[in-house]
Amino acid sequence: DQQVKQNSPSLSVQEGRISILNCDYTNSMFDYFLWYKKYPAEGPTFLISISSIKDKNEDGRFTVFLNKSAKHLSLHIVPSQPGDSAVYFCAASVSGTYKYIFGTGTRLKVLA
Amino acid sequence: KAGVTQTPRYLIKTRGQQVTLSCSPISGHRSVSWYQQTPGQGLQFLFEYFSETQRNKGNFPGRFSGRQFSNSRSEMNVSTLELGDSALYLCASSESSGVHEQYFGPGTRLTVT
Repeated sequence: DQQVKQNSPSLSVQEGRISILNCDYTNSMFDYFLWYKKYPAEGPTFLISISSIKDKNEDGRFTVFLNKSAKHLSLHIVPSQPGDSAVYFCAASVSGTYKYIFGTGTRLKVLA
Repeated sequence: KAGVTQTPRYLIKTRGQQVTLSCSPISGHRSVSWYQQTPGQGLQFLFEYFSETQRNKGNFPGRFSGRQFSNSRSEMNVSTLELGDSALYLCASSESSGVHEQYFGPGTRLTVT
């Protein structure tokens, strides 16, 4: 039972344009969401997070949007840069469970 | 501060053997989590430790176990290895129970032949 789903295995975007990565979840108890970026041969790197009490969080070029009614979150990267090419994972947690459920990842390729 | 370190980085074992992987968290971090990453499956949660206590466990068989020491370093052990245990094993640490952001190590690549 995949509680966190990233339905697009890959995405290609031109440099300078917006990248939108999507994530859906099924467990309405999730109240904290995170995005990670992973380069080959490295561990995931934390990018940005959002609590369920918010619907948007920004950090520089990265913005995460949360739609609780649709159980959907998205990561926007503007403008996209070639260095953003990596696999992006979303993750979700229920506070107090100390357990994080990850999606299967979306491979982003930013074309120069 | 030094990041999360994992040893060894690469390991080749034979079916039926056992293996122990080690993780040293960022200094001051008391929570350590372990994940298994396989192609197409993303990161699967194994277990989480805080102050030497396991607080949650994922859906893995009992062959997978772990522990945490008083200095917050953690080990995970897999007994009676199977071919399907071949994966990247990632360790992540965070400051305390109230902080969600986890910082990952580079992982240990385990190959079972």
